[in-house]
Amino acid sequence: GAGVSQSPRYKVAKRGQDVALRCDPISGHVSLFWYQQALGQGPEFLTYFQNEAQLDKSGLPSDRFFAERPEGSVSTLKIQRTQQEDSAVYLCASSSGLAGVRELFFGEGSRLTVL
Amino acid sequence: AQSVTQLGSHVSVSEGALVLLRCNYSSSVPPYLFWYVQYPNQGLQLLLKYTTGATLVKGINGFEAEFKKSETSFHLTKPSAHMSDAAEYFCAVRSFTGNQFYFGTGTSLTVIP
Repeated sequence: GAGVSQSPRYKVAKRGQDVALRCDPISGHVSLFWYQQALGQGPEFLTYFQNEAQLDKSGLPSDRFFAERPEGSVSTLKIQRTQQEDSAVYLCASSSGLAGVRELFFGEGSRLTVL
Repeated sequence: AQSVTQLGSHVSVSEGALVLLRCNYSSSVPPYLFWYVQYPNQGLQLLLKYTTGATLVKGINGFEAEFKKSETSFHLTKPSAHMSDAAEYFCAVRSFTGNQFYFGTGTSLTVIP
């Protein structure tokens, strides 16, 4: 596609519900990143994929967070048993090659509100 | 470990005035440096980046930034602010070897007519 596409753009969940956020990166981009952006803050790294391999998941805040990219293109970020502190904008970004000096291309984000 | 500090969470300038947004980084080796802009309800868009070579980098929309190793800074400037420049600006750093981009907390730019 022309850009990074994320869905849903807005999600309201009740505390304890599971949610799944989808990211469709730019076609051919090898690297895919998930970031969490709390209100008034900068993006915080969650996890990184190179093709289908999840090479770094050090930023995932708890074992309730899980990400996958089974075919090396579309990725899903799943949050189980959502908590109020999970409310944030979840940004997906992709990059050609192996990142390096190449910049990240961001989607518009999925805004999650947990009630 | 790397980190990015953006001094001033809110900056206001008059239309036509100089824009200066500050960014300092901490890194054991000179990193790759980036400035991104975020408009409301949108994703981040790259303004400019420094990798190697010339330390003065020009970006889109008339913005530029200068990498100063001695000051560990990468401040963003624009000679004359436009109303359309009002947005959130993020400085980011990435190491040569790592995969993570570290972002600052952002600076909200307001342009006063």
